[in-house]
Order: sequence, then structure tokens, then C-alpha cells
Amino acid sequence: ELKVEQNPLFLSMQEGKNYTIYCNYSTTSDRLYWYRQDPGKSLESLFVLLSNGAVKQEGRLMASLDTKARLSTLHITAAVHDLSATYFCAVERDMRFGAGTRLTVKP
Amino acid sequence: ETGVTQSPTHLIKTRGQQVTLRCSSQSGHNTVSWYQQALGQGPQFIFQYYREEENGRGNFPPRFSGLQFPNYSSELNVNALELDDSALYLCASSVKTGNTEAFFGQGTRLTVV
Repeated sequence: ELKVEQNPLFLSMQEGKNYTIYCNYSTTSDRLYWYRQDPGKSLESLFVLLSNGAVKQEGRLMASLDTKARLSTLHITAAVHDLSATYFCAVERDMRFGAGTRLTVKP
Repeated sequence: ETGVTQSPTHLIKTRGQQVTLRCSSQSGHNTVSWYQQALGQGPQFIFQYYREEENGRGNFPPRFSGLQFPNYSSELNVNALELDDSALYLCASSVKTGNTEAFFGQGTRLTVV
């Protein structure tokens, strides 16, 4: 059975700091997704990573994929308050999700 | 905003009742997936429909069933509702053989009392 694990589950950081969220999965997969969810809202797509070594960046967020290690990272650079949300990774075409990382960015 | 719409947005049902949730997929998308998200948890995959047939199922009992229509819209039906079925139900539309992300609807918040 496919397992998707994220860590940390909770992350409180200061504005301006950098941090990385990790997503490990248990079986081979040809794709990995990152989504953002604000409280009470639906999921917003951030990145789709399709190959080993793929790296994508959008603003202060950068995602990478290592299919051999079955690991994806979401790196946050110089965090701002607007990034406060829950971040999910998902694996496989039918998207099996991790538990999410609840990020709070404090002034 | 995505082109995926769900109805209703909120619903209250009594234990033992049946419920139908609806999802209209984004134009050009042929696949719909349904997820259950309990409060504070990640979305759990219920099932996926492609070309009007079930194309994968998560660990949910048979009282969770679905349909996909020729226009690729979809329904999720839940029979014999239980209190633990209270959750946000999300549908996502995508292209089966595509390399792009799936787009989610705004969700239906189901409360079972």
C-alpha cells in the first residue's frame, strides 16, 4: 500500500527565514504534486513534478523531486505572512495525499 | 478560480440517510476523482472515474458509489450515512493521459447528525 509521509506536520517560522518541507513516499511513482490549502478553502495547485531531478520555482517556493530516494522537497525562501497555509504533497495519477504541513509565518 | 464546480456547498443529513453530491469538471477534462477530507487531515482518495467507469478506488466501503456522465460530470452517492462521514468532499478533474495538475472544486461540506 502506498504511503505518503510529510514532515514536519506543523511549522512555525519567522518572516524572512528559509525552511524546507519534506515528502517521502513508499513506492515508485511517475509524478508528484504540491498543493496549498487555506483554512476552509479548497486545494490550489502549486507544482507538478514529472521526472527525477525536476525542479520548479514560483515566487518564494521551490519544489524538487528525487524519484530514486522517493523524496520531494518544498523549499520556502524568505517567508512572508501570505504563505501561511497547509501544504500537501500527493503521489500518483489518482493523487494519494500526505497528511499536510500546517505552516504559520509570524512577523 | 478553477472551472470545477460542486453542489451543494453545504449539506446537513441525518444518520442513515442517503446523499448525492455533484461535480462539473473543467472543460477538456475527462477524469474525475473524489476525495474525503476530515477536519485537520489530508484528502483521502475515494475513487476515480474515467469514460464513465470506475478507474481506481481507495479504502472506502461499497456504500460510497459514483457515476460519471457523458459530459464528464460526476456524482458521489453515499448510502446509510454515519456520523464519521461528516467531512469536506472534494472533486478534482484532470486529463487521464495528461501531464498537468488536477483542479479541485470548492468542495461540499457534509454534516451528519
